[in-house]
Amino acid sequence: GESVGLHLPTLSVQEGDNSIINCAYSNSASDYFIWYKQESGKGPQFIIDIRSNMDKRQGQRVTVLLNKTVKHLSLQIAATQPGDSAVYFCAVNDYKLSFGAGTTVTVRA
Amino acid sequence: NAGVTQTPKFQVLKTGQSMTLQCAQDMNHEYMSWYRQDPGMGLRLIHYSVGAGITDQGEVPNGYNVSRSTTEDFPLRLLSAAPSQTSVYFCASSYSSNSKKLFFGSGTQLSVL
Repeated sequence: GESVGLHLPTLSVQEGDNSIINCAYSNSASDYFIWYKQESGKGPQFIIDIRSNMDKRQGQRVTVLLNKTVKHLSLQIAATQPGDSAVYFCAVNDYKLSFGAGTTVTVRA
Repeated sequence: NAGVTQTPKFQVLKTGQSMTLQCAQDMNHEYMSWYRQDPGMGLRLIHYSVGAGITDQGEVPNGYNVSRSTTEDFPLRLLSAAPSQTSVYFCASSYSSNSKKLFFGSGTQLSVL
């Protein structure tokens, strides 16, 4: 089955800087990838997704990059704001959806 | 629209007690599921349903039961609570079983003493 890992469990970012959160997956047959944001005491909230036929997808202040060669996924947040403080985790789909453990992002004022 | 609604938000049980975690969605989603979230681990699937009257086991189903009598509701029952079931539980739904874009409830924090 799929295993999903994150490179860093925590990330501290200065307000206004860009954040990069990474995720690695194991199954080269994975075809769909999602990033979720989870604020304290709340459920995960969909941020952005990407299919395996794409390398990059942009949303509002967020960009997801997919490198299928090394089985790596990243989420970039531009001009990080205090409201971006949360746990971010990726989900990877092969025949089922597998979730990473999450990176806790803390934004410093 | 309320989305996915879970109750209660917090619950404390004694070992051996039973209880039901409620989940309701108003998006007419076919697919509903239950996950547990433990520190340092990714969400793990307990049970899921692809439509009313159809349920199946996920990766950690032991000690839990589900039923799906209506499209809207998907309750999770703990038969005899154990300390290992202390966790945060999330209900999630999606348009269909082919859609992996899940919408989550706000969670139930359960402690079993």
